[in-house]
Amino acid sequence: QSVLTQPPSASGTPGQRVTISCSGSSSNIGSKTVNWYQQFPGTAPKLLIYSNNQRPSGVPDRFSGSKSGTSASLAISGLQSEDEADYYCAAWDDSLNAWVFGGGTKLTVL
Amino acid sequence: EVQLVESGGGLVQPGGSLRLSCAASGFTFSSYWMNWVRQAPGKGLEWVANIKEDGSEKYYVDSVKGRFTISRDNAKNSLYLQMNSLRAEDTAVYYCASDTSMVNWGQGTLVTVSS
Repeated sequence: QSVLTQPPSASGTPGQRVTISCSGSSSNIGSKTVNWYQQFPGTAPKLLIYSNNQRPSGVPDRFSGSKSGTSASLAISGLQSEDEADYYCAAWDDSLNAWVFGGGTKLTVL
Repeated sequence: EVQLVESGGGLVQPGGSLRLSCAASGFTFSSYWMNWVRQAPGKGLEWVANIKEDGSEKYYVDSVKGRFTISRDNAKNSLYLQMNSLRAEDTAVYYCASDTSMVNWGQGTLVTVSS
């Protein structure tokens, strides 16, 4: 059972906009910034979004992040087949003194 | 170019020990927090531990407290994870990741705990 809650799966067709939610609590998302990571099978995760809504250089602006209260969301617009991957949210938890991850969302491009 | 290269993984019996290393290059290692994150086969990511730039602060996930020790050698640009009293549930790919936001990741090293 992960501290941050994500839907196990999401899907969309090419060109569509999809969102992935991440729910936490006051000790993590409610008081700390959220990061999002993208992982393809057999490879290391890659930082996609940091500080709720900032993109590292090289990440397309089709990817965006937002946060409200104790929840965060990752949005992918203009969905492409190469976006098919696992996505994880993460935040520092002040009560646990630890980073916590969501369980991950497997995105399928239909 | 930032590079993180983990090593030291392998097969170990339950109750055994293993020491993982992460060699860093392409950035000023001594200026960044460093992390270990693991991923059990077919499972999600789990943060394991992190260490401050000068090694003065360390944090661990509850499940490894008292068994794992994170350390670093800034002169050698290296991060370590000493793992003792290993259990089957510690079986995972272990990644090192740089900076407080886990910006850059290594390719991982597989640790298998089995008799």
